[in-house]
Amino acid sequence: DAGVTQSPTHLIKTRGQHVTLRCSPISGHKSVSWYQQVLGQGPQFIFQYYEKEERGRGNFPDRFSARQFPNYSSELNVNALLLGDSALYLCASSRSGADTGELFFGEGSRLTVL
Amino acid sequence: DQQVKQNSPSLSVQEGRISILNCDYTNSMFDYFLWYKKYPAEGPTFLISISSIKDKNEDGRFTVFLNKSAKHLSLHIVPSQPGDSAVYFCAASEWSTGANSKLTFGKGITLSVRP
Repeated sequence: DAGVTQSPTHLIKTRGQHVTLRCSPISGHKSVSWYQQVLGQGPQFIFQYYEKEERGRGNFPDRFSARQFPNYSSELNVNALLLGDSALYLCASSRSGADTGELFFGEGSRLTVL
Repeated sequence: DQQVKQNSPSLSVQEGRISILNCDYTNSMFDYFLWYKKYPAEGPTFLISISSIKDKNEDGRFTVFLNKSAKHLSLHIVPSQPGDSAVYFCAASEWSTGANSKLTFGKGITLSVRP
């Protein structure tokens, strides 16, 4: 079975640009969460989506947005990129929004902002 | 404001010995705790978890202990193996509020198991 897949794996942008990151959850998983991991820190929660609805949002500015599609895949969008947005962006899926919290993570999309 | 703290950035252990990884938390609303392991260029993988109604959970070589009064948990790996060398993250959630996918992670501990 395929795990959580993310694309692209690496990308370089310049300040002020926009980026879209994509995630496909494990088959049968309906909940997708996004995390940002800055170098030397643990992952930080950005969003959770379940059945195409936002179920939770972390402490991130409105430049960050996301959505979930009918096939449960998800996109994370970041506008007006700043140098500080350089990080590994992790997508995680789970069967529902109400299970025990075991999340299955993808390998991440590493974003570098110059 | 770090709600989950892993104060030791690294730990080196001899193969076959016990590895003890510590984690402290400050948020009294946390009621579910997890440990994740991360190898370079891979996403974190779930290792073991514990609910706040328990004080111990075992899975093979891995045991997690929870001391709610001290807001402290620890992961014991016995015996340690070279393949256990990775970054270990402690994470917590407010499961009873439904925020199950909102995990708060510590900074991680790099475990090195020497052959």
